[in-house]
Amino acid sequence: NAGVMQNPRHLVRRRGQEARLRCSPMKGHSHVYWYRQLPEEGLKFMVYLQKENIIDESGMPKERFSAEFPKEGPSILRIQQVVRGDSAAYFCASSPSIAQGASRDYGYTFGSGTRLTVV
Amino acid sequence: AQSVTQPDIHITVSEGASLELRCNYSYGATPYLFWYVQSPGQGLQLLLKYFSGDTLVQGIKGFEAEFKRSQSSFNLRKPSVHWSDAAEYFCAVGRAGGTSYGKLTFGQGTILTVHP
Repeated sequence: NAGVMQNPRHLVRRRGQEARLRCSPMKGHSHVYWYRQLPEEGLKFMVYLQKENIIDESGMPKERFSAEFPKEGPSILRIQQVVRGDSAAYFCASSPSIAQGASRDYGYTFGSGTRLTVV
Repeated sequence: AQSVTQPDIHITVSEGASLELRCNYSYGATPYLFWYVQSPGQGLQLLLKYFSGDTLVQGIKGFEAEFKRSQSSFNLRKPSVHWSDAAEYFCAVGRAGGTSYGKLTFGQGTILTVHP
């Protein structure tokens, strides 16, 4: 049972280019979360998605960033016109479909991350 | 808004010594609490989690953590540290219910160095 798969592991983009980061959740997981880790900092929540729905995007920068989780295929985090400040590690996590309220399954499985470097 | 504070940015211990990493949280209701470990260049691995019930939680790799509501703390402990425990440790808090269900707030992390 493969874990959360993120690709690419490393991505180098020139300023102004687009970056596309992919995340395939664990089998059976329908919730995906994206986090960003800037150098010397902890992880910061960006967006929470279910299949074909954005549930919470309160952590997404207002411009240039978008995320999707289509019915088929991986979740994509897209950064347009990248700038040097976008250089960071981007982590994806997934969890199973869970009802509202307490669940013993609450708890993520994280991918290994994509390290984006903007030059 | 929920927040997590890890007061110690960097801790150094000798191999075989005991370890305690501090974590304080701010949250308006009963929190879900987590400890993760991250090795350089790697993703995050869940060490343990607390939802309810017994306030002393056992995790993997010999780690445990104690939830103290009165102190808003969830400190991570290990009785005898191994050189392979050198890594960065993150405490996180999550919430139950609502559209933010599943969203975690992380602390800044504590880097653990282990001397032979």
